Amino acid sequence: QQQVKQSPQSLIVQKGGISIINCAYENTAFDYFPWYQQFPGKGPALLIAIRPDVSEKKEGRFTISFNKSAKQFSLHIMDSQPGDSATYFCAASTMEYGNKLVFGAGTILRVKS
Amino acid sequence: GAGVSQSPRYKVAKRGQDVALRCDPISGHVSLFWYQQALGQGPEFLTYFQNEAQLDKSGLPSDRFFAERPEGSVSTLKIQRTQQEDSAVYLCASSLQGASYEQYFGPGTRLTVT
Repeated sequence: QQQVKQSPQSLIVQKGGISIINCAYENTAFDYFPWYQQFPGKGPALLIAIRPDVSEKKEGRFTISFNKSAKQFSLHIMDSQPGDSATYFCAASTMEYGNKLVFGAGTILRVKS
Repeated sequence: GAGVSQSPRYKVAKRGQDVALRCDPISGHVSLFWYQQALGQGPEFLTYFQNEAQLDKSGLPSDRFFAERPEGSVSTLKIQRTQQEDSAVYLCASSLQGASYEQYFGPGTRLTVT
């Protein structure tokens, strides 16, 4: 019940295309869903986050879509750029468990120029 | 202001040695988390502090792992009698108190046990 399942494991997108990464969860107590970007040798950097009272949140080229009934959420990267090539992690947390983040396994994104 | 800092960035230990990993959180951040990230995997929760109180240590894999935050700021993760399976990146994150959920991560310490 604590798992967050992420897909795909890896993704190759042409420059200017849309990158889509999906996550699913089981625990309905989760109430905060962030996405992190990680470059090799660096710590995860918070990209964007959503709470279940909204279905979509957009920040620049990054959009989270959230489907509460399906217990799924996704990250869309519009106009993908080579600089977006990184590993992306979805996560979930709840104050019930002290806000510790439960991470997906990650998606390696490569944007081809 | 400065972000979360961790030291050392890299640590090589012989099996059986003790190691200590340090985390300096963002100034004013009350909550501090430690995570372990194995190669090619997502981070996994180890332990959580609010100020100096360790409120959750359910993720610590064995009693060889010990964490402290005595003055509610800097934290140290100690691993005794290191084993090869302890090889991983150890990440520290900090967060403001209260309703804020945003956790900001440091660069991590890569531990290699030989």
